[in-house]
Amino acid sequence: EAGVAQSPRYKIIEKRQSVAFWCNPISGHATLYWYQQILGQGPKLLIQFQNNGVVDDSQLPKDRFSAERLKGVDSTLKIQPAKLEDSAVYLCASSLDLMGTDTQYFGPGTRLTVL
Amino acid sequence: GNSVTQMEGPVTLSEEAFLTINCTYTATGYPSLFWYVQYPGEGLQLLLKATKADDKGSNKGFEATYRKETTSFHLEKGSVQVSDSAVYFCALRKPNTGNQFYFGTGTSLTVIP
Repeated sequence: EAGVAQSPRYKIIEKRQSVAFWCNPISGHATLYWYQQILGQGPKLLIQFQNNGVVDDSQLPKDRFSAERLKGVDSTLKIQPAKLEDSAVYLCASSLDLMGTDTQYFGPGTRLTVL
Repeated sequence: GNSVTQMEGPVTLSEEAFLTINCTYTATGYPSLFWYVQYPGEGLQLLLKATKADDKGSNKGFEATYRKETTSFHLEKGSVQVSDSAVYFCALRKPNTGNQFYFGTGTSLTVIP
């Protein structure tokens, strides 16, 4: 079974530029998560989807971050414009069930550096 | 609110030593508790979990017991190996309302031969 795929693996941009990350969850997984992991910290949930609907985006900085999961499969996370403090690893995870009670499977992450 | 506090690292042990990584939590309701592991260059993987008080999760020689009275979920292993070198994250899942996860800051473990 293929795991959670993410691309790109690394991205370097200058502040005020835009960037987008892509995630393809495990086939059939209903729930998809985006996390931000700043160096030396644990992952922080940015947004959680059940199919193509948003369940929780309370920690998403909506003035600059946006995410969508069209058709309830793959998802994109966008930052526009980026700030220095957005430098982090962005993790995508998915779980099988709609309620998010099953095991989360994580992708390898995208390491973003904002200069 | 909901939060997880982990023992700060890094931790360095000799092979075959006993490992304990402390984790305490604050939560409303009755959370599920997890340990995730991140090996160098890889993504987070579930190591073990416990869904109710007094449950013991175990996997690959690691164990952790859900202690409601002390709000703890300490990770233990009797004899570590070099291959256990990784970063370990304690996490809780907030019950209901989307089952959001809260992660600790991670504890880096290095096992030397």
